[in-house]
Amino acid sequence: GQQLNQSPQSMFIQEGEDVSMNCTSSSIFNTWLWYKQDPGEGPVLLIALYKAGELTSNGRLTAQFGITRKDSFLNISASIPSDVGIYFCAGRQNTNAGKSTFGDGTTLTVKP
Amino acid sequence: EAQVTQNPRYLITVTGKKLTVTCSQNMNHEYMSWYRQDPGLGLRQIYYSMNVEVTDKGDVPEGYKVSRKEKRNFPLILESPSPNQTSLYFCASSPRTSGRRYNEQFFGPGTRLTVL
Repeated sequence: GQQLNQSPQSMFIQEGEDVSMNCTSSSIFNTWLWYKQDPGEGPVLLIALYKAGELTSNGRLTAQFGITRKDSFLNISASIPSDVGIYFCAGRQNTNAGKSTFGDGTTLTVKP
Repeated sequence: EAQVTQNPRYLITVTGKKLTVTCSQNMNHEYMSWYRQDPGLGLRQIYYSMNVEVTDKGDVPEGYKVSRKEKRNFPLILESPSPNQTSLYFCASSPRTSGRRYNEQFFGPGTRLTVL
């Protein structure tokens, strides 16, 4: 099946630092999504992107839909301890609306 | 409270013993889906359903069955579980099957399955 390559796999940062992670694919996606999974829970949608080039913010989080439609980026500014968790990108294509493809996740650790 | 519920939350079973993991949502959502999560592999879609009596395969459907007889329930059935189906399973639902609200997937709390 299709694959989303998410990087980095893990990050260890100090509280207050900014974080960047990205997701790339060999396929074009019509929708890019970013989720966060807290320990012991299911993923929660953070940001949805619908147009190439779109830049969307949700508090300290900013995500961008790549111009080529084959990548997406998530930035977290001024990280805090509760940002700890696994961040997943996901892509959807209009040609197969029911299917969702997820990246492998970026595990974020924030040291106080 | 609007939610997706899964039962059981934890299950240890043996190879070949049929089991069902239930998923129920109380939000009148049209779309439902099952995923499995394995270390280093992220979430992989098993099956999804666009509406009652409409189901389709995801990326890893082998060894699983589903049914959607009512809108609120989407059980995952393992007819003959094997150790490689040991995983963390998530059910999800979303309000629509098209448009932007379609992407608002709500996930259940997960079911941790161990097959010995």
